[in-house]
Amino acid sequence: DVKVTQSSRYLVKRTGEKVFLECVQDMDHENMFWYRQDPGLGLRLIYFSYDVKMKEKGDIPEGYSVSREKKERFSLILESASTNQTSMYLCASSSPSTSGRVYEQYFGPGTRLTVT
Amino acid sequence: AQSVSQHNHHVILSEAASLELGCNYSYGGTVNLFWYVQYPGQHLQLLLKYFSGDPLVKGIKGFEAEFIKSKFSFNLRKPSVQWSDTAEYFCAVNLGSGNTGKLIFGQGTTLQVKP
Repeated sequence: DVKVTQSSRYLVKRTGEKVFLECVQDMDHENMFWYRQDPGLGLRLIYFSYDVKMKEKGDIPEGYSVSREKKERFSLILESASTNQTSMYLCASSSPSTSGRVYEQYFGPGTRLTVT
Repeated sequence: AQSVSQHNHHVILSEAASLELGCNYSYGGTVNLFWYVQYPGQHLQLLLKYFSGDPLVKGIKGFEAEFIKSKFSFNLRKPSVQWSDTAEYFCAVNLGSGNTGKLIFGQGTTLQVKP
């Protein structure tokens, strides 16, 4: 089974702190993603990476950065946490199917971040 | 910009009732379509997917979805829901032409099944 793990289930940080969220996948997937999930807004893509050291902005990258030094690990960084970044953060990974067309994503359990 | 719209935000049903959750997307090209489910306290998992062939696809736990290209829709159905189907459901679209696997998600539908 594909396994995507995230470093913390719950995290409480203070405004202005630098926050690191870690994600690791064990299936040698090329693609990795960070989303935030908010009620009524669904999942919104923050950043994604399709290869080591490669990254692309998603729909809401402001206030976030990412790092992918190894294929299996994708980190989300909040440079200076703010209260509007209180949310559930989901990591996902994917690779093309054997047909090369279907990009099913596998999700981690999520990190619920509270910024006070 | 491409988008995915789920019309029902919160649905309440009694057990054994039939379910249909709407999903529409805005993109005229080739798409791959997904429904994901998030049970309380659990991570998102795939219910079913469509990428080609028979537009009626069957997934886990008795769910199915029908792709209607002319309506840009991919509605999720289940003939008889159970209390254990209480969850949040997300429709997602992957644009099928030379992309990196990026998915566009709908806003989600919360389903509450009363025993």
